Amino acid sequence: QSVLTQPPSASGTPGQRVTISCSGNNSNVGSNIVNWYRQLPGTAPKLLIYINNQRPSGVPDRFSGSKSGTSASLAISGLQSEDEADYYCAAWDDSLQGWVFGGGTRLTVL
Amino acid sequence: QVQLVQSGAEVTKPGASVKVSCKTSGYNFTSYSLHWVRQAPGQGPEWLGIINPIGGSTTYAQKFQGRVTMTRDTSTSTVYMDLSSLKSEDTAVYYCARDLFPNNDFWSGYSPWGQGTLVTVSS
Repeated sequence: QSVLTQPPSASGTPGQRVTISCSGNNSNVGSNIVNWYRQLPGTAPKLLIYINNQRPSGVPDRFSGSKSGTSASLAISGLQSEDEADYYCAAWDDSLQGWVFGGGTRLTVL
Repeated sequence: QVQLVQSGAEVTKPGASVKVSCKTSGYNFTSYSLHWVRQAPGQGPEWLGIINPIGGSTTYAQKFQGRVTMTRDTSTSTVYMDLSSLKSEDTAVYYCARDLFPNNDFWSGYSPWGQGTLVTVSS
């Protein structure tokens, strides 16, 4: 049972915009920043968004992040087939004194 | 280029210990903290802790305190994660991952990651 809650699946058609939510509480998302990772099958996760809405070098601006209260969202615009992957949110938890993750959202491009 | 190369897969028995290594290259080893994260089959990632290579200071997740030990060898730019009293629930892929930015920038996430080490705990 993951500390942060994500929908298990999401889907969209090529070119569409999709959003993935991440819900926490006041000990984690509500009081700390959120990072997002993408994981292709059989590979290590890769950082996609850091500090709520910043993109590491090399990540296209089709990916954006936002946070409000105890929820965060990842938006992907101009959906492409190569965006099919698992997406995870992460935040520091003040009560647990550690980084916590969501259970992941599997994105399917129809 | 920055690389994190981990040791190979391990099969071990309940109650035993396992030690996974993560050899880094392509950057100043002492400038970036390193994290250990594991991922059980079909599950989300789980953070085990962090080590600062400068002095070797560590912070462990509460869940693993007393069972996990993280160390480093500055001469080989390698970090190690030792997990003891293994249970079947510890079966997972274990990853090392570097802070995105140097100098204890704790908040900006982990990048890059090692390739992962599968640890299987089975009697």
